[in-house]
Amino acid sequence: TQLLEQSPQFLSIQEGENLTVYCNSSSVFSSLQWYRQEPGEGPVLLVTVVTGGEVKKLKRLTFQFGDARKDSSLHITAAQPGDTGLYLCAGVGSVRWGKLQFGAGTQVVVTP
Amino acid sequence: DVKVTQSSRYLVKRTGEKVFLECVQDMDHENMFWYRQDPGLGLRLIYFSYDVKMKEKGDIPEGYSVSREKKERFSLILESASTNQTSMYLCASSKQTGGRETQYFGPGTRLLVL
Repeated sequence: TQLLEQSPQFLSIQEGENLTVYCNSSSVFSSLQWYRQEPGEGPVLLVTVVTGGEVKKLKRLTFQFGDARKDSSLHITAAQPGDTGLYLCAGVGSVRWGKLQFGAGTQVVVTP
Repeated sequence: DVKVTQSSRYLVKRTGEKVFLECVQDMDHENMFWYRQDPGLGLRLIYFSYDVKMKEKGDIPEGYSVSREKKERFSLILESASTNQTSMYLCASSKQTGGRETQYFGPGTRLLVL
């Protein structure tokens, strides 16, 4: 089993601040996904990164895939209360079946 | 709009009971998955299915079984519920596209075993 470690586990910030969440592994993944989960709901896909060194932007969210495809980061600029949620990274381990290996998640709380 | 539905949002069962969790997707997806989510452990894969009547064990299959008689429906069965199976159970589905699938999740079933 390929393990994904996320840090920090919990992050509480004020509205307008920036934050970065990290996702690290000793294994190489063919691609990596980031999901956000809000209370009482299932995770929802934010982005998939495929190429080593790739950077993707989704409004105020910037995702980066490490050159060696073993790690990734999520950076949020000028966080808003609507960014509150559990952020999960997931590595695609089995290309054949699309199986995902999830990290434990980072709980982000943005207060007004 | 894509949709994955789970039969119950909350369930309370007694130790030793047989428990059925149902999941239905309306997207004609080939793959379906069952996860459990526990604080600090993230999502752990219990079983998945890539076709009707086909199933594969995930990382933590012990104490669980599954059934997929129709493409749209994937059931998780706890043969004899135990207190350590108290958890949030999430169902997901995806289309087979060669490793870049998006998994679509249901809202989850929070199961309490007393």
